Amino acid sequence: AQSVTQLDSHVSVSEGTPVLLRCNYSSSYSPSLFWYVQHPNKGLQLLLKYTSAATLVKGINGFEAEFKKSETSFHLTKPSAHMSDAAEYFCVVRWGNQFYFGTGTSLTVIP
Amino acid sequence: DVKVTQSSRYLVKRTGEKVFLECVQDMDHENMFWYRQDPGLGLRLIYFSYDVKMKEKGDIPEGYSVSREKKERFSLILESASTNQTSMYLCASEPAPAYGNQPQHFGDGTRLSIL
Repeated sequence: AQSVTQLDSHVSVSEGTPVLLRCNYSSSYSPSLFWYVQHPNKGLQLLLKYTSAATLVKGINGFEAEFKKSETSFHLTKPSAHMSDAAEYFCVVRWGNQFYFGTGTSLTVIP
Repeated sequence: DVKVTQSSRYLVKRTGEKVFLECVQDMDHENMFWYRQDPGLGLRLIYFSYDVKMKEKGDIPEGYSVSREKKERFSLILESASTNQTSMYLCASEPAPAYGNQPQHFGDGTRLSIL
């Protein structure tokens, strides 16, 4: 069965320090990969999506993600956290016509 | 930009009531989805639809039904609401055929409380 694993349910960082949110997937072939962000009481907003054009994907608000096929990972990073980055982040994988969601990582940014 | 609009942000209903959650998208998307979101469980697919008057069960369809009479509108129906249906409900849409790196577009959600 296909699965998406977000390795940390909660991450805390200080403002101005780097952010790393980890995501692994299980698949026998390359899936389509996305990161979404959800601010409190809001819907999911697309941060970035993987295209086969490049393994390092740039998204909105300074976020990036690197696709590593050998590790079946798609970790999300940002060089310097901002207070407005505090939110829930979801790693999502498309296999065929279905979306599979990770259980989310809650990011806290400490001033 | 794609806009997916859910008619209510917050809704409070009583046990046993019939509840309607409405979702409208403005991009002529063929595919529409209803998810529920609960802490620690992520998003779970309730129902989806690939076309008008078509519907498919997702992972947790029990206690729910859906209606898609027009392409832009997808309604979720709780036939007889129960307290375990208290949750955040999210609607999403995407064009067809859905493939590769095509994302889904989400509404802002409806936080439903059943008392």
